[in-house]
Amino acid sequence: NAGVTQTPKFQVLKTGQSMTLQCAQDMNHNSMYWYRQDPGMGLRLIYYSASEGTTDKGEVPNGYNVSRLNKREFSLRLESAAPSQTSVYFCAIDSKHEQFFGPGTRLTVL
Amino acid sequence: AQKITQTQPGMFVQEKEAVTLDCTYDTSDPSYGLFWYKQPSSGEMIFLIYQGSYDQQNATEGRYSLNFQKARKSANLVISASQLGDSAMYFCAMREAYNTDKLIFGTGTRLQVFP
Repeated sequence: NAGVTQTPKFQVLKTGQSMTLQCAQDMNHNSMYWYRQDPGMGLRLIYYSASEGTTDKGEVPNGYNVSRLNKREFSLRLESAAPSQTSVYFCAIDSKHEQFFGPGTRLTVL
Repeated sequence: AQKITQTQPGMFVQEKEAVTLDCTYDTSDPSYGLFWYKQPSSGEMIFLIYQGSYDQQNATEGRYSLNFQKARKSANLVISASQLGDSAMYFCAMREAYNTDKLIFGTGTRLQVFP
């Protein structure tokens, strides 16, 4: 979606490797979110950030860390990737009556 | 307890016909919002329509309308005049006022439109 970018688009990791997923927005919104989507399921919230410098856990935070260093960027880090973290990861920003989603990162952990 | 329930894993509809995708929700919060998203095979999440719990009228956006029945806690999406490009996954989601930062998603319905 316009306004929310995610990098990378695809990533393959080996078990135990670490990586950071990046999300950036140019819509000047305060709230940002990280979701994961597993096959055949809806999105589940991992972490969110209501404003710069604040972060809170969502439904499935275990195995992840996040960082909101400025208003534009919200990163998601996997310190030691596990096969159970194979998923599609979406970043989103919050408007009053909708959330705008980024294009997603497809992550495979072998 | 499941907050958002979509009981139709898959639906088929013929082109130009209307189709209803079901969504029921569970909340004790009097103030909440209901959302529908479309996810085509390319994977992006596309916002379709929003309904607030205090909105007097059912929401409409072009060919999309939301059949909001508050007492029954249902928020069904109606797509009129289906097009082949409507084939996609459709997700219902809810946000509660006390829990304003979180969208809770259903498991989705896969819609297939055939000629």
